[in-house]
Amino acid sequence: GESVGLHLPTLSVQEGDNSIINCAYSNSASDYFIWYKQESGKGPQFIIDIRSNMDKRQGQRVTVLLNKTVKHLSLQIAATQPGDSAVYFCAEVTGANNLFFGTGTRLTVIP
Amino acid sequence: EADIYQTPRYLVIGTGKKITLECSQTMGHDKMYWYQQDPGMELHLIHYSYGVNSTEKGDLSSESTVSRIRTEHFPLTLESARPSHTSQYLCATTQTVPNTGELFFGEGSRLTVL
Repeated sequence: GESVGLHLPTLSVQEGDNSIINCAYSNSASDYFIWYKQESGKGPQFIIDIRSNMDKRQGQRVTVLLNKTVKHLSLQIAATQPGDSAVYFCAEVTGANNLFFGTGTRLTVIP
Repeated sequence: EADIYQTPRYLVIGTGKKITLECSQTMGHDKMYWYQQDPGMELHLIHYSYGVNSTEKGDLSSESTVSRIRTEHFPLTLESARPSHTSQYLCATTQTVPNTGELFFGEGSRLTVL
């Protein structure tokens, strides 16, 4: 089929290392930012979100950092495991649930 | 967790056929979306609905159409499929209250047009 959009950037990490996935957003008025994980052949799944009035939020093995000054969002995965291999999308939410996805990054964990 | 179902999961059809991809959700969410995604590529919004009888086109131009006659049902139709329609189609839902913006996705419908 005809390709839609750009090929995703990739990140390869050794099992057990920490992963950092970055995302730049465009709208300074965004209310929420969300990270999604999409495994092969499946729909994206929610990982963690962060409100625009926060700088950091931690979950289980994941931390999201928000730098509003440079409009940058990052997802840190601690002790990366093979099951973390997937495509990760950031999304920004504005107004009445208008959600805009970023390009996405393909994470490959090397055993 | 949201329960959202897409059928068929996989479909291979010939050029010129009419197809409908089904999407149903049992959570009572008011907002529903269709995204198109080629393998390893970005997600592109093609249609969305904010409630019954509400449908809008998304960011990416699409020859498909949608309808929202019932809250739980948001089918997508291609009147005459072409090879360029080969892609994965993902349905998603969210609710206005509470306003978290989190989308719940279905497993997707992978369409191949020969």
